[in-house]
Amino acid sequence: DGGITQSPKYLFRKEGQNVTLSCEQNLNHDAMYWYRQDPGQGLRLIYYSQIVNDFQKGDIAEGYSVSREKKESFPLTVTSAQKNPTAFYLCASTLDRGSTYEQYFGPGTRLTVT
Amino acid sequence: SQKIEQNSEALNIQEGKTATLTCNYTNYSPAYLQWYRQDPGRGPVFLLLIRENEKEKRKERLKVTFDTTLKQSLFHITASQPADSATYLCALSISGGYNKLIFGAGTRLAVHP
Repeated sequence: DGGITQSPKYLFRKEGQNVTLSCEQNLNHDAMYWYRQDPGQGLRLIYYSQIVNDFQKGDIAEGYSVSREKKESFPLTVTSAQKNPTAFYLCASTLDRGSTYEQYFGPGTRLTVT
Repeated sequence: SQKIEQNSEALNIQEGKTATLTCNYTNYSPAYLQWYRQDPGRGPVFLLLIRENEKEKRKERLKVTFDTTLKQSLFHITASQPADSATYLCALSISGGYNKLIFGAGTRLAVHP
């Protein structure tokens, strides 16, 4: 089955630690995205990548970093510089950068930092 | 400022009735608009896309309208079923060289038997 996988589903970390969230897709999609979802708010774009070895900051990139070394993989690192990291994180992909394609989402990772 | 508004209060309806959800926006000129369904603790799932030059789009029991003058989209589910209970998100596509979507916070729909 084609799709997007995110792991783990739940993640707990102590404040001050960096943590990396995994996102893998086997849809052969070029573009990949990371969003953050907080209660009562819309999804907010953290980073996106349109092609391997290239990525751009979204609306709330501070305290986050990404890499895109392979087409299938787009891991997100939540650094200790992120002031309020507890949230639900969603990875998505689209066929290419064209604007007519819907986004396919992974199941999400719920990160709790205490 | 730019805003996307969806009813923050849950919509409760009886099974078999038509559910109508609203998405209003200000200070955007979207090329198109998408609707997604999100179940608790899961990622959103794409439902429908409607372009700015389309007034209405249908898919099975779903219908979306898009009024660029009113800056509003309506999402209808006819003959609603308890399985339709979920949160529904609207998302605007903003041109800018890549597929950037601006999401609303969503409206939770509860269909009661």
